[in-house]
Amino acid sequence: EVQLVESGGGLDQPGGSLRLSCTASGFTFSRFWMSWVRQAPGKGLEWVAELSQDGSEKSYVDSVRGRFTISRDNAKNSLYLQMSSLRVEDTAVYYCQRGGGRPAEDHWGQGTLVTVSS
Amino acid sequence: DVVMTQSPLSLPVTLGQPASISCRSSQSLVESDGNTYLNWFQQRPGQSPRRLIYKVSNRDSGVPDRFSGSGSGTDFTLKISRVEAEDVGVYYCMQGTHWPWTFGQGTKVEIK
Repeated sequence: EVQLVESGGGLDQPGGSLRLSCTASGFTFSRFWMSWVRQAPGKGLEWVAELSQDGSEKSYVDSVRGRFTISRDNAKNSLYLQMSSLRVEDTAVYYCQRGGGRPAEDHWGQGTLVTVSS
Repeated sequence: DVVMTQSPLSLPVTLGQPASISCRSSQSLVESDGNTYLNWFQQRPGQSPRRLIYKVSNRDSGVPDRFSGSGSGTDFTLKISRVEAEDVGVYYCMQGTHWPWTFGQGTKVEIK
């Protein structure tokens, strides 16, 4: 069974940093594109970043480019999102997603809440 | 960025009755490979999103056949032939043709 478990969320101040992790199991992690998608409280979905199987191709939405870094460790079956220069508008549930924008099969984690507030 | 516009944003339906959600994109979603990467997601209350339909009209594994997708170019539709109680939630269209992938605003389906 495919499982994606996010961790690392919490409360931080504007300008702060957080690192989110997503631990994958139930499939060969190194074979899949991976993404982070976020959802502000009571709002819609926003695709944040996407990463190729070997980590060589990365894409970011404009609102996070230069502040967030997506990465992975295939030996540890883990995806990461390093978030810096946090803003209040980054407050959201962050979901780990397998496959990117065009997957044959689509899988999501349960999400981890990031709150940015002073 | 491609803007995805859904209508209606709220859809009260009677159990057993059909429902339809429209989604329009600001650009054509036909990719150079000939595919149209238009997906539909369901998000039940308190749950993660779940993809129902991919590439306009293909149902994901385990999705009931009362869900169907259609459309082309910039105009797409999700139909539920007979709404059941478990269909309550928010439905999003999403395009995977032009980066960044973008979602519609969401349509909240509730039972009358």
